[in-house]
Amino acid sequence: EDQVTQSPEALRLQEGESSSLNCSYTVSGLRGLFWYRQDPGKGPEFLFTLYSAGEEKEKERLKATLTKKESFLHITAPKPEDSATYLCAVQAGNDYKLSFGAGTTVTVRA
Amino acid sequence: KAGVTQTPRYLIKTRGQQVTLSCSPISGHRSVSWYQQTPGQGLQFLFEYFSETQRNKGNFPGRFSGRQFSNSRSEMNVSTLELGDSALYLCASSARTQGPNTEAFFGQGTRLTVV
Repeated sequence: EDQVTQSPEALRLQEGESSSLNCSYTVSGLRGLFWYRQDPGKGPEFLFTLYSAGEEKEKERLKATLTKKESFLHITAPKPEDSATYLCAVQAGNDYKLSFGAGTTVTVRA
Repeated sequence: KAGVTQTPRYLIKTRGQQVTLSCSPISGHRSVSWYQQTPGQGLQFLFEYFSETQRNKGNFPGRFSGRQFSNSRSEMNVSTLELGDSALYLCASSARTQGPNTEAFFGQGTRLTVV
């Protein structure tokens, strides 16, 4: 069974204080690793898809990277509006289902 | 391009009742998946429909069912509601192509409260 573990569970940052979130996974036949952002009471918002080890993608202050066992989401010089729960999910084998980690809740203080 | 639309946004039901939730995917997307999100279990996969056929099913009891119509709109039904069914139910839409671009886009969810 696919396993996705995110750490830390919670992260409190000062505005401008860069940090990284970790997503480690155990799957057979990774088809894609996905990062989402979720605000309270809302559905997850798609951020990135990574397909192979070594791949990197960037969007504004966020950068996602992928190795064979884990992915990192780097937040550079965060702002209060970056406060959210960040979810990692994998898609593997012939399944189109997403297996999610528990998420990392990021709080950025001004 | 309109996003994924879920209705209703909020529902309050009594134990033992049944409920039907609706999802309209992004135009052109033929795959619709349903997920349950709770504070204790996180996001868990319920089932996926593609071209009106259920392709995958998660580990949920038979009280949870769904269907997809020819226009790709989907409904999920929960019968004999239990208190533990209280959750945010999320629908995700995907183009489900053979190659990359299999991203799933989520709706805002339906918040179901069972009392």
